[in-house]
Amino acid sequence: GQSLEQPSEVTAVEGAIVQINCTYQTSGFYGLSWYQQHDGGAPTFLSYNALDGLEETGRFSSFLSRSDSYGYLLLQELQMKDSASYFCAVLSGGYQKVTFGIGTKLQVIP
Amino acid sequence: GEEVAQTPKHLVRGEGQKAKLYCAPIKGHSYVFWYQQVLKNEFKFLISFQNENVFDETGMPKERFSAKCLPNSPCSLEIQATKLEDSAVYFCASSPGWGESGYEQYFGPGTRLTVT
Repeated sequence: GQSLEQPSEVTAVEGAIVQINCTYQTSGFYGLSWYQQHDGGAPTFLSYNALDGLEETGRFSSFLSRSDSYGYLLLQELQMKDSASYFCAVLSGGYQKVTFGIGTKLQVIP
Repeated sequence: GEEVAQTPKHLVRGEGQKAKLYCAPIKGHSYVFWYQQVLKNEFKFLISFQNENVFDETGMPKERFSAKCLPNSPCSLEIQATKLEDSAVYFCASSPGWGESGYEQYFGPGTRLTVT
C-alpha cells in the first residue's frame, strides 16, 4: 500500500522561508504533488514533480528525490495568506490513484 | 464549466437516512474522483470514473455507498442508511489526465454531510 509522512504543524514568521517535508512509501510511483487547503475551502493544486530536482513557481518551489522517496515544498517570502494546510500526495499505479498525506498546518505569524 | 461544481453545499441527515451528493466535473475532463475528508484530515479516496465507467473503486465501502457518472448528467455519490461516522466533507475532483504540465486534479468546493 501507500503511506506518506509529513509534519502535522509548522509555524513560521511572515517574510521568512519554510520547508515542509514529505516522505513516502509506495509501489508504482509516478509523481509527487502538493495541494493547499485553506480552512473550509477546496484543495488547490500547487505543484507536481515526476523527475528528481527542484521545480519553481513564483514563491513556491517543490523538490523530489525518487531514490530517497522524499520531497519538500519550499515557501519563500511568507505572507499571512499562506496560512493553510499543505498536503503532499503521491500519484501511483495505473489508475491515477492519488494518495494524500495527513496535511501540514502552516501558521504564519507577524 | 471551468470549475467543478458540487451540490448541495451542506446536507444534514438523521442516522439511517439516505444521502445523495452531486458533482459536475469541468467540461472536457474525462476523470472524476470522490474523496472523503473527516475533520480536516487526510483525504480518503472513495472511487474514480473514466467518463461513465468505474475506473477504480478500491476505496469504496460498497455495502452502503454507490456512485454513478451517467452521460449528460452530474455524477452522484449516494450513501444508503447513513451512520454517524459518515459525517465528513465529500470532495469531488476532475482531471483531464496527464498533460504537458504534469498531473493535476481540480477539486470542487465540497459537500459537508452531517449525520445526526
